Amino acid sequence: KAGVTQTPRYLIKTRGQQVTLSCSPISGHRSVSWYQQTPGQGLQFLFEYFSETQRNKGNFPGRFSGRQFSNSRSEMNVSTLELGDSALYLCASSSDRFGTDTQYFGPGTRLTVL
Amino acid sequence: GENVEQHPSTLSVQEGDSAVIKCTYSDSASNYFPWYKQELGKRPQLIIDIRSNVGEKKDQRIAVTLNKTAKHFSLHITETQPEDSAVYFCAASSTGGSYIPTFGRGTSLIVHP
Repeated sequence: KAGVTQTPRYLIKTRGQQVTLSCSPISGHRSVSWYQQTPGQGLQFLFEYFSETQRNKGNFPGRFSGRQFSNSRSEMNVSTLELGDSALYLCASSSDRFGTDTQYFGPGTRLTVL
Repeated sequence: GENVEQHPSTLSVQEGDSAVIKCTYSDSASNYFPWYKQELGKRPQLIIDIRSNVGEKKDQRIAVTLNKTAKHFSLHITETQPEDSAVYFCAASSTGGSYIPTFGRGTSLIVHP
């Protein structure tokens, strides 16, 4: 099976802009979770989607949003970018709700905000 | 909310030695504890996990122990090899109801040949 893929792999944006990141899960996986990874804060959970529904959301401002499509692909959007949004954004998929099956991470999208 | 503390932040060992990384959690409702390995520039990969109904799990050179009473769990790597060098993350979450996984800050393991 092909692994989790994320596009784009690298992004450079300026403050105030918005960005959309994409994640394609492993075929058959219905759960997609998003994480932000930074040297200072480590790995932080953004949200999880399961069968097109956002099941859980971490402690991030409303500028961070996401959605999942019927084919389980997911997108994450960040509006009004701030310098502090510079990070590696990882998505992970599993066949069921996180915690009931193994999560597989994608390679990440490296976002730099100037 | 859940709080996970991970120690040490850096661990340096000689090849062949054992390495132990410890995590403590605060929420007694947490019942799933995965460990991830992230090599430089690569994605995190699950290496082992444990659920709260067991106290220990082993997979070749890797083992995880869980003490629910004390709310801590540990990763044990025996006979370390240079390719074990990476950052290791622990996490805690609840599989029931609303879940939000909380990760430790990570441990950078360096195995010297």
